[in-house]
Amino acid sequence: NAGVTQTPKFQVLKTGQSMTLQCAQDMNHNSMYWYRQDPGMGLRLIYYSASEGTTDKGEVPNGYNVSRLNKREFSLRLESAAPSQTSVYFCASARGYTDTQYFGPGTRLTVL
Amino acid sequence: RKEVEQDPGPFNVPEGATVAFNCTYSNSASQSFFWYRQDCRKEPKLLMSVYSSGNEDGRFTAQLNRASQYISLLIRDSKLSDSATYLCVVNPSNTGKLIFGQGTTLQVKP
Repeated sequence: NAGVTQTPKFQVLKTGQSMTLQCAQDMNHNSMYWYRQDPGMGLRLIYYSASEGTTDKGEVPNGYNVSRLNKREFSLRLESAAPSQTSVYFCASARGYTDTQYFGPGTRLTVL
Repeated sequence: RKEVEQDPGPFNVPEGATVAFNCTYSNSASQSFFWYRQDCRKEPKLLMSVYSSGNEDGRFTAQLNRASQYISLLIRDSKLSDSATYLCVVNPSNTGKLIFGQGTTLQVKP
């Protein structure tokens, strides 16, 4: 099993450009999450999907949209990237709300 | 006040030392608690869950004090491979919306 995979691993964008970060899991998990991690701060939840067909906002949703494409895939879209969105983005999945979350390797995004 | 607070360190200890990290949380209704480990430029990985009665996994012991709203992690007989950042994590309402502390960095020296 690959676990949780994320693409791309690295990305550089110019201010105003858009992009989609992809995440997929092969563990048949119901819940999926997107976090960002900035220096000196803990991981912060952007959006989550408790189950296929549902999405909800986390702590820092502004500037992002998500799509739960199917049970396996959960994408994060930046419509108009800003320098404040420079960060490391982690996707995670879990069987349910109270279960261990497993993280992907992350996407390092720089917005110039 | 941050919802989950940790001393960022770094904690520099010699091999074989015992080291303890504490973490405090603000939401008294929090239901579940974890320690994650994160190596440099890698993803976080679950180290252990923290139970009310305390729990041990080899050289690692986790304790929860609900009255004082803090969680601790004790590492005995530190190894070089224990060098990492340890993240205190709280699930405040069992929704899966985890709250992460900023992490405590441990450096184990030969």
